[in-house]
Amino acid sequence: GPKVLQIPSHQIIDMGQMVTLNCDPVSNHLYFYWYKQILGQQMEFLVNFYNGKVMEKSKLFKDQFSVERPDGSYFTLKIQPTALEDSAVYFCASSSTGVSYEQYFGPGTRLTVL
Amino acid sequence: QQKVQQSPESLIVPEGGMASLNCTSSDRNVDYFWWYRQHSGKSPKMLMSIFSNGEKEEGRFTVHLNKASLHTSLHIRDSQPSDSALYLCAASIDYNQGKLIFGQGTKLSIKP
Repeated sequence: GPKVLQIPSHQIIDMGQMVTLNCDPVSNHLYFYWYKQILGQQMEFLVNFYNGKVMEKSKLFKDQFSVERPDGSYFTLKIQPTALEDSAVYFCASSSTGVSYEQYFGPGTRLTVL
Repeated sequence: QQKVQQSPESLIVPEGGMASLNCTSSDRNVDYFWWYRQHSGKSPKMLMSIFSNGEKEEGRFTVHLNKASLHTSLHIRDSQPSDSALYLCAASIDYNQGKLIFGQGTKLSIKP
């Protein structure tokens, strides 16, 4: 079936550094999402993105977070600077429309902030 | 604040048995319910979705929805060891551009 790819699979960085998580969504999909899952806790919505713009962001999407998808390349989540509480698995998802269509999830990037 | 509650937290079912999982939303604006399965260390994969009152069956999986009570349930018959996973219920609203609100999940273990 359709696949969403995420690079890297693991990232370990020191607190205060910048990190960029990359997502290669399903081709022809128009809506893109980031979710955060802390080990043993609920999957939580961070942000959705359509037509080059953030549509909605949750309270977890702090000012240090940003997303972009320049010219159809990777959909990226940048955190600058990182904090200890940013340690989690970040899942990217994409869908062909935003509403009643299935979201396909990538394998996740495990981020560890030391 | 939108909330999705799942029960039970964990469930052990013998191989070949029936597993029943529940999910309720506290937000009356919810339009769609989704059931995802997440094996340990993997990404969630959609199992079934339901948008209208009633029941939907796909193979061993049946999902019910009662829109009045905003309650959905997933039933797995003839459970297999490969069904052991975390089952996530998610809800979405028409005007929220696909944002999924997840429950905390039900951890299902199938005992051979």
